[in-house]
Amino acid sequence: KQEVTQIPAALSVPEGENLVLNCSFTDSAIYNLQWFRQDPGKGLTSLLLIQSSQREQTSGRLNASLDKSSGRSTLYIAASQPGDSATYLCAVNNAGNMLTFGGGTRLMVKP
Amino acid sequence: ETGVTQTPRHLVMGMTNKKSLKCEQHLGHNAMYWYKQSAKKPLELMFVYSLEERVENNSVPSRFSPECPNSSHLFLHLHTLQPEDSALYLCASSQGAGTYEQYFGPGTRLTVT
Repeated sequence: KQEVTQIPAALSVPEGENLVLNCSFTDSAIYNLQWFRQDPGKGLTSLLLIQSSQREQTSGRLNASLDKSSGRSTLYIAASQPGDSATYLCAVNNAGNMLTFGGGTRLMVKP
Repeated sequence: ETGVTQTPRHLVMGMTNKKSLKCEQHLGHNAMYWYKQSAKKPLELMFVYSLEERVENNSVPSRFSPECPNSSHLFLHLHTLQPEDSALYLCASSQGAGTYEQYFGPGTRLTVT
């Protein structure tokens, strides 16, 4: 059974810092990995999708990497802003239909 | 309306009530999903529908009954729920039931009293 772990569970940084969120998974036979953002009480917003054949994806200040063989992904956020404060979720697709989610990293960026 | 919408946004129901959650996607997708997000637990997949057929039932109790009448609409019928069923219920859709990106609705916050 796939298990997804996100470290740290919570993170507080001053505005302007570059930061890295970590995601690890136990079964490397995945189709893709998706990073989401969730604001309190709201649904999920898809940030980046990395297919199993890819090593990284970039969108603006966000860069996600994937090392399938070691079961790891990182989400790099450059020049963090208070508006980046949210919970970031990593989800692994390894059965064609099913996403297995990590517990999330709750990020607070202080002005 | 664009994207994935869910109604109602908030619902309070007693354990003997029957209610339904509704999800509608305006993206032209043909796969839809129900997820449950409980406090302090990771998001859990409940059901997957592809081309209006259920392709996945992730060991969900029978008091939750999904319905997908067409590729744009998905319902979750609720009856005789328990307080531990209180959670945020999220609907998602994707272009296909495979390696495609999933798009989520805002969720329905359910409280069972």
